[in-house]
Amino acid sequence: QLQLQESGPGLVKPSETLSLTCTVSGGSISSSSYYWGWIRQPPGKGLEWIGSIYYSGSTYYNPSLKSRVTISVDTSKNQFSLKLSSVTAADTAVYYCAGNPAAAPFDYWGQGTLVTVSS
Amino acid sequence: EIVLTQSPGTLSLSPGERATLSCRASQSVSSSYLAWYQQKPGQAPRLLIYGASSRATGIPDRFSGSGSGTDFTLTISRLEPEDFAVYYCQQYGSSPTFGGGTKVEIK
Repeated sequence: QLQLQESGPGLVKPSETLSLTCTVSGGSISSSSYYWGWIRQPPGKGLEWIGSIYYSGSTYYNPSLKSRVTISVDTSKNQFSLKLSSVTAADTAVYYCAGNPAAAPFDYWGQGTLVTVSS
Repeated sequence: EIVLTQSPGTLSLSPGERATLSCRASQSVSSSYLAWYQQKPGQAPRLLIYGASSRATGIPDRFSGSGSGTDFTLTISRLEPEDFAVYYCQQYGSSPTFGGGTKVEIK
């Protein structure tokens, strides 16, 4: 049973870079045939897929965020990470990390972490 | 990008009643790559249905999904108290997108 846990600052200043890490336990991030993704949810609103990565390093980004997003994987630490640059108040949201098998929906989710963009 | 439109926005029902939720796609969803999630306040979404009609592990059989192409439905045959929540559809093609959600509230 995979478990995912997000970590990172809860407060980021406007124009800076938001950085979050997801630690995967209960299985190897590189041995399972899973893709690892980030989804966010502004307070009181719906879900938005940010992007995903395969353990090999192949990345897939939401076209609307692609210019500001970088997702990377560290197989030695069983972690993957999100960087979102030039943040504004509109990036305030609960950020979830999640995992999905190829051609399948997200079936493992972290608990989510609230990131507020404010000076 | 495939836009998913969910209706109604809010469904007010009583326990024991049947809930029917709709998800319409702006273009055909390939291979029925359509999923449904349930989300309760303060919790991550939970996968209910994948492939438009297959229940995820541990999901009660009162939840069922149907549809293909651009029109999909989630049905909860008899609402239990724990089913009052927000439900999202998602297409998980090459660039996943989510619908705006339907809140099922107690009448």
